[in-house]
Amino acid sequence: QSALTQPASVSGSPGQSISIACTGTSSDVGSYNLVSWYQQHPGKAPKLMIYEVTKRPSGVSHRFSGSKSGNTASLTISGLQAEDEADYYCCSYAGSSIPGVFGGGTKLTVL
Amino acid sequence: EVQLEESGGGLVKPGGSLRLSCAASGFNFNIYSMNWIRQAPGKGLEWVSSIADISSYIYYADSVKGRFTISRDNAKNSLHLQMNSLRAEDTAVYFCARSWRVGADFDYWGQGTLVTVSS
Repeated sequence: QSALTQPASVSGSPGQSISIACTGTSSDVGSYNLVSWYQQHPGKAPKLMIYEVTKRPSGVSHRFSGSKSGNTASLTISGLQAEDEADYYCCSYAGSSIPGVFGGGTKLTVL
Repeated sequence: EVQLEESGGGLVKPGGSLRLSCAASGFNFNIYSMNWIRQAPGKGLEWVSSIADISSYIYYADSVKGRFTISRDNAKNSLHLQMNSLRAEDTAVYFCARSWRVGADFDYWGQGTLVTVSS
């Protein structure tokens, strides 16, 4: 199972919006509405930000949103804040044989 | 409060074995799937293994299949990963994570335990 494809880095200024794409295949992202996104600050455990493509866990800011079109999912962060600077990973369910596949991660820099 | 605490990491020689544990508290452990996810130094996240709520369904990444064994003890609210025939490329922080479905939507994570495979 190949990893999902994410850009290595994105950047934006405070207050701006950015999007991070996560490209998979018809065997994972394209087949299941089970894409999740994780935020990881240095030295910390990942934190779930989006699940089932568009859903936000309790306590996650409304500035974070998710979407999917075909084999590509996206995370959008609006109103960028300094504390959003972190690594972001997507993950998709990929079927009953090897269920979990992550993207390579995207480093978000807030300028 | 949901808590997951990993233990058992350390330094091991290539070909050696380690057993990781994850102690869970603050939720009904019996009804959740549990997962191991690892992160090599300076690298991204890699899904390793998942076990369903009653151990009837178990899954492994190709990179660890045949070498690692996941198990759970619902009576003790604990998750384990027996790692045999360890290789240098298994060096990573190993996280346990909770989910409703195996391999998807990991909603709580432990802080991780470092496994270093080196001679």
